[in-house]
Amino acid sequence: DQQVKQNSPSLSVQEGRISILNCDYTNSMFDYFLWYKKYPAEGPTFLISISSIKDKNEDGRFTVFLNKSAKHLSLHIVPSQPGDSAVYFCAALRDSGAGSYQLTFGKGTKLSVIP
Amino acid sequence: DARVTQTPRHKVTEMGQEVTMRCQPILGHNTVFWYRQTMMQGLELLAYFRNRAPLDDSGMPKDRFSAEMPDATLATLKIQPSEPRDSAVYFCASGLLEGTGYTFGSGTRLTVV
Repeated sequence: DQQVKQNSPSLSVQEGRISILNCDYTNSMFDYFLWYKKYPAEGPTFLISISSIKDKNEDGRFTVFLNKSAKHLSLHIVPSQPGDSAVYFCAALRDSGAGSYQLTFGKGTKLSVIP
Repeated sequence: DARVTQTPRHKVTEMGQEVTMRCQPILGHNTVFWYRQTMMQGLELLAYFRNRAPLDDSGMPKDRFSAEMPDATLATLKIQPSEPRDSAVYFCASGLLEGTGYTFGSGTRLTVV
């Protein structure tokens, strides 16, 4: 059963416009949520994270919003650039408090920014 | 610039052969993860270590997969015997207990024919 879901496998956006990538989760015990970006033939690269006690975190062109009641988070990229074209993974971190924690990934959304 | 190093980058092997993938985590990182990426499942957690001790390997097929950390600078993932369904990209990632931005290696692309 997928605890982290990215329901859109792909997204195309015009350069300069806003890209919105969505993610839903089922486990209310997650402590952090993260976004990773992945280019072909490379490992995922950490992009931005948000604590479960926050509802927004911003870093330059990237903003992550968390709606805990809806168990939903989104990544906004404004303005979108062609170099943003990549696969974006949503991930959730759960700390069991016993020195054990896991990072669970969604299946990814492929973003294409069209020049 | 600190990075996680994985070797080999590519591996093609015949069914039934043993495969060993290696990972050098970032110096000072106390947590190491092994993930497998497939088209169907996305990124699946196979195993992870804290201070070299295995904490969770429930994602691994126990009969053929094994993960170890013989020392703080090396993590290994072994498949014996390998099967065609093991074909995937295997990623290693390392991080710190209190951190959230784990660093991934570039992966090992395994093809079992």
